[in-house]
Amino acid sequence: EVQLVESGGVVVQPGGSLRLSCAASGFTFDDYTMHWVRQAPGKGLEWVSLISWDGGSTYYADSVKGRFTISRDNSKNSLYLQMNSLRTEDTALYYCAKPGVSGGSYSGYYFDYWGQGTLVTVSS
Amino acid sequence: QSVLTQPPSASGTPGQRVTISCSGSSSNIGSNPVSWYQQLPGTAPKLLIYSNNQRPSGVPDRFSGSKSGTSASLAISGLQSEDEADYYCAAWDDSLNGWVFGGGTKLTVL
Repeated sequence: EVQLVESGGVVVQPGGSLRLSCAASGFTFDDYTMHWVRQAPGKGLEWVSLISWDGGSTYYADSVKGRFTISRDNSKNSLYLQMNSLRTEDTALYYCAKPGVSGGSYSGYYFDYWGQGTLVTVSS
Repeated sequence: QSVLTQPPSASGTPGQRVTISCSGSSSNIGSNPVSWYQQLPGTAPKLLIYSNNQRPSGVPDRFSGSKSGTSASLAISGLQSEDEADYYCAAWDDSLNGWVFGGGTKLTVL
C-alpha cells in the first residue's frame, strides 16, 4: 500500500525557516519524480515544486523560487522541502504527491497518491 | 487568479447530472492530459479522472471526463449526497514547467 507521510509543519515567524519531510513507502521511490503541492486555508491547490527521480532536476512555482529548495534521499525513501524567508502568504497545508507515471515527462501525468499534509503557519 | 478557470460553485439535486468546466490555454490543457481531483471536507485530494477521461479503479462510472481543445469538463450523473465536495482540474503547463490547477468548484447537493 502506498503511503506518504508529511511532517515538520509548525508555527514560524515571518522571515524564518523550516524543513518539511515526506516519508514514502509502498512503491519504488527512486523510480518517480516527486512533488509538493500546497493549499492555503480555505483556498485552492497550488503546485509548489518537483524533483526528478535522481534529484538532478528541480522546478519551482514562481511564488517560491529562490526561497524554497526541494531535495530527496532515495536511500531513506524521503522527500524534503527547505523553506527560507517565509512569508505570511506561505501559510498552508503542504502535501507530498506521487505522480501516476514513472520516468518520461517530469509531470508524471497525474497525481495518484497524496499524503495527509502538514500545516505550516507563518505568523508573528 | 488560477491559470485554469473553473466556476466557483455548482449544485444539483439527487439523481441529477452536473457538469463542471475547466478552461485553460494551449500550453496546458491544449497540449497535456487533464486530471480531476475530489476533495471532501478535511481530507486530502483524491484522484477522480486522469488522462482526460480515464477512471482509476474504485471510482464509480457516474464520474466521467472529457476534453476538447483548451477546455475540459467533469460530469457527474446520478448525483448523490456524498458527492458534495470541492473539485479541481489540473494539467501540466509547458510554458511554466509546472503543474497548474483550477481554482476549484464547490459542489452542493441540494
